[in-house]
Amino acid sequence: DTEVTQTPKHLVMGMTNKKSLKCEQHMGHRAMYWYKQKAKKPPELMFVYSYEKLSINESVPSRFSPECPNSSLLNLHLHALQPEDSALYLCASSPGPQYQETQYFGPGTRLLVL
Amino acid sequence: QKEVEQNSGPLSVPEGAIASLNCTYSDRGSQSFFWYRQYSGKSPELIMFIYSNGDKEDGRFTAQLNKASQYVSLLIRDSQPSDSATYLCAVQGAQKLVFGQGTRLTINP
Repeated sequence: DTEVTQTPKHLVMGMTNKKSLKCEQHMGHRAMYWYKQKAKKPPELMFVYSYEKLSINESVPSRFSPECPNSSLLNLHLHALQPEDSALYLCASSPGPQYQETQYFGPGTRLLVL
Repeated sequence: QKEVEQNSGPLSVPEGAIASLNCTYSDRGSQSFFWYRQYSGKSPELIMFIYSNGDKEDGRFTAQLNKASQYVSLLIRDSQPSDSATYLCAVQGAQKLVFGQGTRLTINP
C-alpha cells in the first residue's frame, strides 16, 4: 500500500484566519515532505522532515509552519496567508531521505485564500 | 541552464501510437530518475523510476536512461486517451527531488 492521505481536500480561508493541513501515511516511511504547486507549474518543495526532524526549509515565509507530531503525521499550520498563497498543497513521503528513495504523493489540499 | 529540462508540449499523439517523452538534466552526479503522471487537478502519480543505464519496462511504459548523455526518456506504447496528462520528469538532487516543467501529452482518438 502506497497511500498518503491529506485533509481537507479543499480549504477556503481569509487572510486573517488560522488553519491547518494534515497529512498521514502508514507505510513506515521516515521522510515526509510538503510541496506547493501552482497551476501549470511543477511541485515546489517547501519542507522536508527526516526521522521527525525538520531537515530542509526552502526559505518558506513564516506564515507557513510545519509540524511533525510523530512518524506518521505531518501538519502544515497556516496563518495570515496572502491571496498568492492559493495553490495545491501536496504532501509526500518516502521510505527514507536517501538519494534513491521514491516519493509518493497524497491527493493534495486545494487552498484558496480570499 | 535549468537543472531538469522537458519540452512543455503540448505533444499530440494518435491513439495506438507510441508517445515519446524526453528529459535532460544538468547534474552529472544524479543517481535516481522518476517519471510522474499528473492529471489536471490531481496529484502526481509515480509511473516509473530508473537508476541504471539502459531500458526498464513496465507494461506499456519503458523508461530509458543514458547517463553519459544526461538524458532520460519515457515511451508509452499503444497510447490510450486515458494517457492524456502532464508527465513530470524528476531527478534526485543532493537533497531534494528536482522536477522538470512537465510535458502535456494529448492522445487523440
